[in-house]
Amino acid sequence: NAGVTQTPKFQVLKTGQSMTLQCAQDMNHEYMSWYRQDPGMGLRLIHYSVGAGITDQGEVPNGYNVSRSTTEDFPLRLLSAAPSQTSVYFCASSYSGTNQPQHFGDGTRLSIL
Amino acid sequence: AQSVTQLGSHVSVSEGALVLLRCNYSSSVPPYLFWYVQYPNQGLQLLLKYTTGATLVKGINGFEAEFKKSETSFHLTKPSAHMSDAAEYFCAVSDTTGNQFYFGTGTSLTVIP
Repeated sequence: NAGVTQTPKFQVLKTGQSMTLQCAQDMNHEYMSWYRQDPGMGLRLIHYSVGAGITDQGEVPNGYNVSRSTTEDFPLRLLSAAPSQTSVYFCASSYSGTNQPQHFGDGTRLSIL
Repeated sequence: AQSVTQLGSHVSVSEGALVLLRCNYSSSVPPYLFWYVQYPNQGLQLLLKYTTGATLVKGINGFEAEFKKSETSFHLTKPSAHMSDAAEYFCAVSDTTGNQFYFGTGTSLTVIP
């Protein structure tokens, strides 16, 4: 079982560039989410989706877009990268909602210069 | 919104000693509560969860946590620390809709040989 797969694992961008962080799960989970992890701040929810075609904002959504065209994939887009978006990004999924254990990917380490 | 407080960003224990990691949450109704562990350069793994029922929850690797509604606490314990327990530990609470997770800022556990 691959579980939750995130690509790339590392990325360096220049301010103003755009990119997409990929997340795919093979467990047929309805719920998927994106977090950013910053030192001393734990994980903060960026966006989440409760099923294909449905997305919603989390705690820190500004500067990020998401879409959910299939059950398996939940990409996170940075439209115009800023140094404040330097972070480690985690994708997670669960069968349905956050009353179920979340399965996490290994993270994408993103640096914005 | 929910919030989670983890007292002590760094905890050191001797090998074989009791591990106690503290977590308090703010909620007007009993939420769903989780503990996750993160090893270096990895995603988060579920240790244990409380949804309903028995207030003493047993997890993997000998960890357990007790839900105390009167104290709004969900502290994590392990009777005897092992070197392999060295990691970052996160307490998390799910909101009543089951759609958003709120993580604490994490506690880094060091085990001294």
